[in-house]
Amino acid sequence: GAVVSQHPSWVICKSGTSVKIECRSLDFQATTMFWYRQFPKQSLMLMATSNEGSKATYEQGVEKDKFLINHASLTLSTLTVTSAHPEDSSFYICSASTGDTEAFFGQGTRLTVV
Amino acid sequence: GQNIDQPTEMTATEGAIVQINCTYQTSGFNGLFWYQQHAGEAPTFLSYNVLDGLEEKGRFSSFLSRSKGYSYLLLKELQMKDSASYLCAVMDSNYQLIWGAGTKLIIKP
Repeated sequence: GAVVSQHPSWVICKSGTSVKIECRSLDFQATTMFWYRQFPKQSLMLMATSNEGSKATYEQGVEKDKFLINHASLTLSTLTVTSAHPEDSSFYICSASTGDTEAFFGQGTRLTVV
Repeated sequence: GQNIDQPTEMTATEGAIVQINCTYQTSGFNGLFWYQQHAGEAPTFLSYNVLDGLEEKGRFSSFLSRSKGYSYLLLKELQMKDSASYLCAVMDSNYQLIWGAGTKLIIKP
């Protein structure tokens, strides 16, 4: 099946710094990428949807200035957590879609803000 | 509103069969997915149903009834490594995934 690579797998950062997470589709062109976060023992929560070359659509309650999403090409989307705080510590997962209905997930990034 | 329901937790015995149900109410339907997620890891794709009926893939099978808004994931010959959360997700008319909260499956020897 299609491969989505997410990097880094885990990151620890200091409070107030910014962290960038990359999501790449390795063997297909992803017209749409989704970013999720998951708190322990909870379901995945969609944060935003991005289409290549256009601004991301954020879900209600997600701060677009804090979670910057860039989908500059058909194979790369990035999520930048700006001025991270301990409450931003979570598991962030991307998924990519070709425009058909199946979505492929990255490995996820565990962010710990100290 | 949109809603996906699945049991919170199930327990089964190694070697047995277990069925995890999922019911949904969504605005439009473009397919139903089942994912497996081990603790601390990203979900892994298991199956995709868009037409009614049973899709079999090895030890795992998935069934869909669109008229009933119902699906189930059937796991046969359970192994200890099958202990995980199983997530049901529906793609709505906007091609967004609506997620269930997941079913934690506990396998006992």
